[in-house]
Amino acid sequence: NAGVMQNPRHLVRRRGQEARLRCSPMKGHSHVYWYRQLPEEGLKFMVYLQKENIIDESGMPKERFSAEFPKEGPSILRIQQVVRGDSAAYFCASSLPQREGRNEQFFGPGTRLTVL
Amino acid sequence: QKEVEQDPGPLSVPEGAIVSLNCTYSNSAFQYFMWYRQYSRKGPELLMYTYSSGNKEDGRFTAQVDKSSKYISLFIRDSQPSDSATYLCAMLRGSTLGRLYFGRGTQLTVWP
Repeated sequence: NAGVMQNPRHLVRRRGQEARLRCSPMKGHSHVYWYRQLPEEGLKFMVYLQKENIIDESGMPKERFSAEFPKEGPSILRIQQVVRGDSAAYFCASSLPQREGRNEQFFGPGTRLTVL
Repeated sequence: QKEVEQDPGPLSVPEGAIVSLNCTYSNSAFQYFMWYRQYSRKGPELLMYTYSSGNKEDGRFTAQVDKSSKYISLFIRDSQPSDSATYLCAMLRGSTLGRLYFGRGTQLTVWP
């Protein structure tokens, strides 16, 4: 039973370029979450998606960041015109449809983005 | 004030010691409480998941929730060097599904 998969594991971009991070949820999971982890800090929520729907994007910066989870294929977190402050580890988590007692989120290995 | 507070440590103990990790929170809406373990440069791994006040035990790990004090704990018995990692507490509001609120994480080292 494959876990949450993320790629690439490491991504280097120069300032002003675009970064695309991919996440494939666990089999049977239809809900995806993106979190960002800065050095010496805990994980910060960014966005929560279902297939073809954004449920909660309250943690997403208003500009340059976007996320999608299409009907087919992985979830994508896209960062346009990256800046040095975007350097961080980005984690994806997935879960079964949320209902009482079934709210566990399982995390992928993360993508470490470095902006030069 | 952050919604979830966690002492970042570092915490260093000898092998076999009992470890106590704690978090406090300010929002009484939190209903679900989790502990994750994160090894260096890896993704968080779910260790314990609890709902409501009380204790939950799983092997050497015991999770404790005290809603009246807004305080949660994770105890590790007979600690092993392989337990050396960062431990993150996380919480979920019952009325807002999805978004986890994390503490900063406590870095634990268990030395042989």
